[in-house]
Amino acid sequence: AQSVAQPEDQVKVAEGNPLTVKCTYSVSGNPYLFWYVQYPNRGLQFLLKYITGDNLVKGSYGFEAEFNKSQTSFHLKKPSALVSDSALYFCAVRGANAGNMLTFGGGTRLMVKP
Amino acid sequence: EPEVTQTPSHQVTQMGQEVILRCVPISNHLYFYWYRQILGQKVEFLVSFYNNEISEKSEIFDDQFSVERPDGSNFTLKIRSTKLEDSAMYFCASSEWSGINSPLHFGNGTRLTVT
Repeated sequence: AQSVAQPEDQVKVAEGNPLTVKCTYSVSGNPYLFWYVQYPNRGLQFLLKYITGDNLVKGSYGFEAEFNKSQTSFHLKKPSALVSDSALYFCAVRGANAGNMLTFGGGTRLMVKP
Repeated sequence: EPEVTQTPSHQVTQMGQEVILRCVPISNHLYFYWYRQILGQKVEFLVSFYNNEISEKSEIFDDQFSVERPDGSNFTLKIRSTKLEDSAMYFCASSEWSGINSPLHFGNGTRLTVT
């Protein structure tokens, strides 16, 4: 069975500072990893994905994520946080044999203070 | 940019009643999904649908649930006899194809409240 853990319910950073939202996963075979963001009363918006290739993946709104196979992690990062980045962030994994089913982590609420 | 649209945004129903949640996927997408998020909990996969049939479903998707694509644009989730524990945000999603390079596009969700 595949699973995703987001160990932090909440992350607080000051605007302009770098941010990291952590994610670890467990899956059989090669993992396909995703980050989604959810703003209040909105659906999940796709940010970025890792399929294969470079371990550092760049996505929307200046976000990037680093795939680390040995640590089974896929942490989301941004060099300089904006207040508008405040939202709920979900990491998701799909195993090579899991069809189309995405397994989501519990979400991390990012709060960026001015 | 094309969007997945869901109606209604909020549905209140009494326990035991049937509800139908509606979704209009992105027009050139072929794969459709329902996920749900119980308040404060994870987003959970319910079902995927392709070529007018269910391709995968989770343990949550029991006989009380059904999906249908009644016409060329709508994709619906029916809960036959709602229970209190069905209260959740239900998200519809679609993707262009099933390959891993085709990310899911989610709608804004329907908040279902069962009283």
